[in-house]
Amino acid sequence: GAVVSQHPSWVICKSGTSVKIECRSLDFQATTMFWYRQFPKQSLMLMATSNEGSKATYEQGVEKDKFLINHASLTLSTLTVTSAHPEDSSFYICSARRRTSGRGETQYFGPGTRLLVL
Amino acid sequence: GDSVTQMEGPVTLSEEAFLTINCTYTATGYPSLFWYVQYPGEGLQLLLKATKADDKGSNKGFEATYRKETTSFHLEKGSVQVSDSAVYFCALLNQAGTALIFGKGTTLSVSS
Repeated sequence: GAVVSQHPSWVICKSGTSVKIECRSLDFQATTMFWYRQFPKQSLMLMATSNEGSKATYEQGVEKDKFLINHASLTLSTLTVTSAHPEDSSFYICSARRRTSGRGETQYFGPGTRLLVL
Repeated sequence: GDSVTQMEGPVTLSEEAFLTINCTYTATGYPSLFWYVQYPGEGLQLLLKATKADDKGSNKGFEATYRKETTSFHLEKGSVQVSDSAVYFCALLNQAGTALIFGKGTTLSVSS
């Protein structure tokens, strides 16, 4: 199957620090990766779409300078929450779409990263 | 814009009971529709999908039929098991085919 991992699974940090979350496709190449944010009892909200080798496309209302996304290779994308504040505390989920997928093909999701900013 | 509405949870059932989780959508055209499941401590997994009207997606005893006349994609299972306890998300693929739009999720709890 297609496996997507995220690291770390849990992170607690102090307000004002930056946190990097990694998303890896372990057994396939992903030209497109997606970053979502999930609030308790809420839907997954798409934050940004990243394509390998190009700048990420951010959804309306998402601050690109605060949530830095890098998709440097076909198997790795990173999300950096810069100068984190308590309101950034959330569950962050990434997904990846296979390189060979056509339009609308399945996305494979990582297990998520729980961020708590004190 | 595109949106997905699914029934509020939690849904609590006894083992072998019949399950229905309602999902309706608003979208331009006829988007592909999906049900994802999230087991405790795990990532979302695709449960089933349908790409055009009247298609029926099925997997692991779950079924959902794409109804364009009612813009719905309700999830059903005839006999649930304790292992089906999870959060279920209905989703559609936007018209550009670039992003999934999710409902809020419905928590299912099945007791023996």
